[in-house]
Amino acid sequence: GENVEQHPSTLSVQEGDSAVIKCTYSDSASNYFPWYKQELGKRPQLIIDIRSNVGEKKDQRIAVTLNKTAKHFSLHITETQPEDSAVYFCAASSVQTGANNLFFGTGTRLTVIP
Amino acid sequence: SAVISQKPSRDICQRGTSLTIQCQVDSQVTMMFWYRQQPGQSLTLIATANQGSEATYESGFVIDKFPISRPNLTFSTLTVSNMSPEDSSIYLCSVPAGREKLFFGSGTQLSVL
Repeated sequence: GENVEQHPSTLSVQEGDSAVIKCTYSDSASNYFPWYKQELGKRPQLIIDIRSNVGEKKDQRIAVTLNKTAKHFSLHITETQPEDSAVYFCAASSVQTGANNLFFGTGTRLTVIP
Repeated sequence: SAVISQKPSRDICQRGTSLTIQCQVDSQVTMMFWYRQQPGQSLTLIATANQGSEATYESGFVIDKFPISRPNLTFSTLTVSNMSPEDSSIYLCSVPAGREKLFFGSGTQLSVL
């Protein structure tokens, strides 16, 4: 089955700096890669996603890149703000495993220092 | 996005007892998913609940320990049976939000003493 690894497990940045979180996946059939943000005590919420036919996607301060050959994808947050502090999870899925059957990474706790 | 009501939001239970978690969705969905999030860990899929058929369990999870009901297209329950402290986790139900996306309920924080 799919195995998703995520690094780093914790990340601290100064407000205004950029943050990058990286994930690798094992199943070459995976074709959908979402990122979820989970604030303390709250549900995980989808913040951005990318499909395997696209190399990069951007939404305001958040961008995701995908390298299918190397089987890795990354989340980039620019101009970080204190409200970006949360745990971020990457995930992967494929049609074969079930389109909604997401395999999650282990999470990155991002702390933005004011 | 769907509105998911998950109850209870938290509970403290004695070992050996069972707890049933309810998940109510404001729209009809074919599949509902139950995830476990152990303290400081990622989300792990327990099972997929389809209306009208038995739930499909992931490796490491069995029906005797986590029985699931799915009586209609808007409701599901997950029972954590014969609990031990290792079952202390957040349990989340989720529903599809489009072809691949998932929308999560607010979770049930379970502590087993």
